[in-house]
Amino acid sequence: KQEVTQIPAALSVPEGENLVLNCSFTDSAIYNLQWFRQDPGKGLTSLLLIQSSQREQTSGRLNASLDKSSGRSTLYIAASQPGDSATYLCAVLPDSWGKLQFGAGTQVVVTP
Amino acid sequence: GAGVSQTPSNKVTEKGKYVELRCDPISGHTALYWYRQSLGQGPEFLIYFQGTGAADDSGLPNDRFFAVRPEGSVSTLKIQRTERGDSAVYLCASSPPGRETQYFGPGTRLLVL
Repeated sequence: KQEVTQIPAALSVPEGENLVLNCSFTDSAIYNLQWFRQDPGKGLTSLLLIQSSQREQTSGRLNASLDKSSGRSTLYIAASQPGDSATYLCAVLPDSWGKLQFGAGTQVVVTP
Repeated sequence: GAGVSQTPSNKVTEKGKYVELRCDPISGHTALYWYRQSLGQGPEFLIYFQGTGAADDSGLPNDRFFAVRPEGSVSTLKIQRTERGDSAVYLCASSPPGRETQYFGPGTRLLVL
């Protein structure tokens, strides 16, 4: 059974610092891994999607790496801003369709 | 274009009552998913539709939960004899044909008193 874990559960940093969020999964047989952002009372917004054959994806200040063999992914957010405050969730997709399996998320607060 | 919409945004009900939660997917999306998110947890899969049929309902917790998608577009999640433990945010997502990216709605916050 796939288990997805995110550490830390919460993180607070001053504006301008880089953020490093970790995600681990127990079964390396995944189709892809996705990072989402969730704001209070809102749905999920997809940030980055890494296919199982890829090692990393970048979008602006965001960079996500994937090491499938060790069951790890890391989301880096450069030069954090107060607007980056949210909960960040990683999720793995075991097949080309179907259920995403989520971690519990990391709640991030960026202080001005 | 319009995203996934869910109604109601909030629902308060009493233990034992019946509730229906609605999801309108993005137009043209053939796949539709329901997830449930409890406080402090990530979303947990409930059911997945491909077109009108439920392709995977393995996440439904028990037979009080049922979902339909009769015309391959709008879906309704139905919960009978609600219990306090059903309180959660119910999220809906949809995907276009041939694509695995899921687009999420804002969710319905269900509170069972």
